[in-house]
Amino acid sequence: GDSVTQMEGPVTLSEEAFLTINCTYTATGYPSLFWYVQYPGEGLQLLLKATKADDKGSNKGFEATYRKETTSFHLEKGSVQVSDSAVYFCALIPDTGRRALTFGSGTRLQVQP
Amino acid sequence: EAGVAQSPRYKIIEKRQSVAFWCNPISGHATLYWYQQILGQGPKLLIQFQNNGVVDDSQLPKDRFSAERLKGVDSTLKIQPAKLEDSAVYLCASSRLLEGEQFFGPGTRLTVL
Repeated sequence: GDSVTQMEGPVTLSEEAFLTINCTYTATGYPSLFWYVQYPGEGLQLLLKATKADDKGSNKGFEATYRKETTSFHLEKGSVQVSDSAVYFCALIPDTGRRALTFGSGTRLQVQP
Repeated sequence: EAGVAQSPRYKIIEKRQSVAFWCNPISGHATLYWYQQILGQGPKLLIQFQNNGVVDDSQLPKDRFSAERLKGVDSTLKIQPAKLEDSAVYLCASSRLLEGEQFFGPGTRLTVL
């Protein structure tokens, strides 16, 4: 079945450091790929998405590129802030069949001042 | 626009007791999802509704879990009887279309003792 694998956390960075959170997926065809963020005490929010190969999703300084050849969708940000501290989830929706999200296990990011 | 509402936010029960969760989706959203998020894991789909019909309930433990969406608006998820392993956060999400962006509620944290 479809699955998403994320790097384990927590990831601890200093403010203004470069961030990469790795995400790889297993699915047939061309799924749509997503990054969701969960800030402390809040619900899940869509951060960015990409719906076809080589697309780049971006939002709030975060970027991720849909790489079909490596089945990856790594999240990057050039300079993190304390306010980016949260749990980040990679997810997919397959292009056929069930149209609900399949999530990775999440990666906690802690940014220190 | 009001977000997805869920209640209660927290619930503590003894094993073998019953519990019900309520979700009010964003107005006009035809698709409603219930996810279960166990601590340290990503959310897992339990059931998906399109209006008041079930689209996918393949991962719902039907011997103890039930859900309904009367009149295609609010939804209720019930567990009867609860087990220790049901301790989790239950997330409700809605989308305008079957393949549209999903918006999540704050979740209900269930603890089964």
